[in-house]
Amino acid sequence: AQSVTQLDSQVPVFEEAPVELRCNYSSSVSVYLFWYVQYPNQGLQLLLKYLSGSTLVKGINGFEAEFNKSQTSFHLRKPSVHISDTAEYFCAVKGGGGSNYKLTFGKGTLLTVNP
Amino acid sequence: KAGVTQTPRYLIKTRGQQVTLSCSPISGHRSVSWYQQTPGQGLQFLFEYFSETQRNKGNFPGRFSGRQFSNSRSEMNVSTLELGDSALYLCASSLQASQETQYFGPGTRLLVL
Repeated sequence: AQSVTQLDSQVPVFEEAPVELRCNYSSSVSVYLFWYVQYPNQGLQLLLKYLSGSTLVKGINGFEAEFNKSQTSFHLRKPSVHISDTAEYFCAVKGGGGSNYKLTFGKGTLLTVNP
Repeated sequence: KAGVTQTPRYLIKTRGQQVTLSCSPISGHRSVSWYQQTPGQGLQFLFEYFSETQRNKGNFPGRFSGRQFSNSRSEMNVSTLELGDSALYLCASSLQASQETQYFGPGTRLLVL
């Protein structure tokens, strides 16, 4: 079975600082990888996805992520965060092991941007 | 293009009652998946519907069921509610069954008292 580990449950940063949210997955076959963001009292919004091709993926709101197959990681980065980036971020994997119909999510990382 | 819509947004029920939640996918999307989000268990897959047929099911008891209509709208039903069913229920749509990218609605927050 595939699984996703988000290494940090909470990440506090100051405004305009860079941030990295870490995500590792386990799967023995090829997978698709996603980052979703959830603002308070809202659903999930797709930030970016890796399906194939270039391992550096750019998403909305200035976020990017790098797929590293050897380290089974898909870390999310932003060079300069804003107060409005405060939200919970979920890494998810799809595919592999007969589970290509559903997203398997990590537990989430709460990013808090302080002034 | 309008996104995924879910109704109602908030719901309060008591134990033993049943509830029906509704989801309208993005226009043209034919697959609808449901997820449950709780603080303890996180986001868990409930089931996926495509062409009015349940294609896949997660590890939830039979009290959780759903259906899909010919216009791709989907409903989810939970019977004999338990306190532990309190959660945010999210619906996601995609063009085809098991397609890689899913787009989520705002969710229905269910509170069971």
